[in-house]
Amino acid sequence: DTEVTQTPKHLVMGMTNKKSLKCEQHMGHRAMYWYKQKAKKPPELMFVYSYEKLSINESVPSRFSPECPNSSLLNLHLHALQPEDSALYLCASSPTSGRASEQFFGPGTRLTVL
Amino acid sequence: GNSVTQMEGPVTLSEEAFLTINCTYTATGYPSLFWYVQYPGEGLQLLLKATKADDKGSNKGFEATYRKETTSFHLEKGSVQVSDSAVYFCALSVYNAGNMLTFGGGTRLMVKP
Repeated sequence: DTEVTQTPKHLVMGMTNKKSLKCEQHMGHRAMYWYKQKAKKPPELMFVYSYEKLSINESVPSRFSPECPNSSLLNLHLHALQPEDSALYLCASSPTSGRASEQFFGPGTRLTVL
Repeated sequence: GNSVTQMEGPVTLSEEAFLTINCTYTATGYPSLFWYVQYPGEGLQLLLKATKADDKGSNKGFEATYRKETTSFHLEKGSVQVSDSAVYFCALSVYNAGNMLTFGGGTRLMVKP
């Protein structure tokens, strides 16, 4: 299995809602990542988990809360988002975070905040 | 710091034309270099990679050579197809720097029949 899966594919939420994005990989990778991608821009790194521990937080607002329940799963909990948070949210994984290697990306969740 | 510069698009070609997308980089360490492709409405797919100088990455007819002397990693394809229409991102990752990817701005390729 060389896939990273993400659910849901699309999500529409109001500014007062709480929702979660889910990411899963079964490649035995020990590093997982959340990115945010706005239209016509490259992905921007949000969080890095290494061996299920948060290792990098790129100054992301607290309305985004990541969680790594186990080595295969990565969640992103959303609360009180703003319309400008509407974007494609991408999850990725790599064998480790300690040395340069390719990251494998999921298909993304298209988030719209009303 | 690390940075990647790509030619701005869109690049519009006719089917079977030759493709070059330029990519140059600056890096504080010894980088690995990647090309990712993003088709409309999808996530990023790794197209090819090179981990040391003079390495040539290749996949699906695309090629790129890691040129340390010119700090470049240009993407080429001899004959593009309509199905190659997508956004292409050049990226680097530096050894022992947390495997954080630094992306270029992306280049949109449009191939017309």
